[in-house]
Amino acid sequence: ETGVTQSPTHLIKTRGQQVTLRCSSQSGHNTVSWYQQALGQGPQFIFQYYREEENGRGNFPPRFSGLQFPNYSSELNVNALELDDSALYLCASSPWEDNEQFFGPGTRLTVL
Amino acid sequence: DQQVKQNSPSLSVQEGRISILNCDYTNSMFDYFLWYKKYPAEGPTFLISISSIKDKNEDGRFTVFLNKSAKHLSLHIVPSQPGDSAVYFCAARTNFGNEKLTFGTGTRLTIIP
Repeated sequence: ETGVTQSPTHLIKTRGQQVTLRCSSQSGHNTVSWYQQALGQGPQFIFQYYREEENGRGNFPPRFSGLQFPNYSSELNVNALELDDSALYLCASSPWEDNEQFFGPGTRLTVL
Repeated sequence: DQQVKQNSPSLSVQEGRISILNCDYTNSMFDYFLWYKKYPAEGPTFLISISSIKDKNEDGRFTVFLNKSAKHLSLHIVPSQPGDSAVYFCAARTNFGNEKLTFGTGTRLTIIP
C-alpha cells in the first residue's frame, strides 16, 4: 500500500511568483486536506477536498487555491507569493468516514 | 486564538521512565482528539486517538487520557525509548462533516539514554 506522496520536496521562489504543489493520496482515500506548518508552529488547516469539491477552508486568503482530480490526487496553488508563505506544506489523506488523517512528508517552500 | 495548546515546548525524560505530554483545549465542540509524532524531514505520523465519549485509550506503550471537564488530555509513554525522541502534536476535531484538524504547537520530547 503506497502512502501519501508529495512533490517537490523543496522549492525556492521569489516574492510575487506563483507555485503549485502536488499530492497523491493513499490508496483508497478520497479526502485530501492541506496544511501549512510555519517554523515552530503546529500545522494550520488551509482547506480540504472531497470528491473534487472544496469541503471547508481555514483562515487563508483566496490566493491559496486547490484542486482535486478524479483519482483523488490534489494540487495546492499559491499566487502572489509573500515572504510569510515560507513554510512546510503538508498534505493529508483519509477515507471520508475516518477520523485519522495520514500525512505526506511535506514540501518545504522558501520565498525570497 | 489558539484553541489547542501545548504549553511545554520541550521535555527530557530518561530512557525507561514515563513520558507525559500534556494538551489543553478551549473549544467545547471538539469531540475527537489525536496525537501525532513528527521526526525531522518527515510528515506527522498518527499515534493514538480518543473519542470524547471515552476517558482513556491504550495502545501498547501509549495511553491517552481525556478529562473533558478540565478540557485537558495527556499522552503517557511507558517505558520511554530512544526512538520516541520526536516532536509530538496534539490535534482535535469537531464532528460537523469537516475533518479539519486543529493542532497544538507541539512538544519536543528527548529521551536520554
